[in-house]
Amino acid sequence: AQTVTQSQPEMSVQEAETVTLSCTYDTSENNYYLFWYKQPPSRQMILVIRQEAYKQQNATENRFSVNFQKAAKSFSLKISDSQLGDTAMYFCAFMKRGAGSYQLTFGKGTKLSVIP
Amino acid sequence: KAGVTQTPRYLIKTRGQQVTLSCSPISGHRSVSWYQQTPGQGLQFLFEYFSETQRNKGNFPGRFSGRQFSNSRSEMNVSTLELGDSALYLCASSTGQQVHGYTFGSGTRLTVV
Repeated sequence: AQTVTQSQPEMSVQEAETVTLSCTYDTSENNYYLFWYKQPPSRQMILVIRQEAYKQQNATENRFSVNFQKAAKSFSLKISDSQLGDTAMYFCAFMKRGAGSYQLTFGKGTKLSVIP
Repeated sequence: KAGVTQTPRYLIKTRGQQVTLSCSPISGHRSVSWYQQTPGQGLQFLFEYFSETQRNKGNFPGRFSGRQFSNSRSEMNVSTLELGDSALYLCASSTGQQVHGYTFGSGTRLTVV
């Protein structure tokens, strides 16, 4: 079974600054996907960024980028130029690749507050 | 393109009752998953359906069941409600290709009293 650990329950960052959220996972699988989801007070989980484990290049989406270290089983999220709208819960998630596995395993989340 | 629609948004039920939650996926998406979110346990996978077939099931008691219709809409049923079933129930839809991840709805907040 896979486990996902987010060691920072809460974080805060000044508007326009950069913040990094940590995520580590434990798996014996070699092929998998990793995701970061954002959940604002509206409750809807929004996909922020995805990473395919077989790709060495780190994924980027505008102000969001990841540092994927497969050997260390680490998948951190960097948010640049933080905005007030980034205030939310952030969840790291794992999905095994291949037929027969269609479930996301989530970490407990990191509550991020962006301070004006 | 309409997103994932979950109804109702809020629900209050009495212990022992049963409840049915509904989820309409994004048009063209054939995979629907359900998750339970609680402060203590976090996000836990309930089950996943693709083309009316359950492909994956999480570690929940048999009181939790689901189904998917031919139009990909899905329902989740919880029978004999317990206080511990109070949670946010999230539905997510996907094309069925894992790399795309899942698009979530805003959830149904169930309170059991």
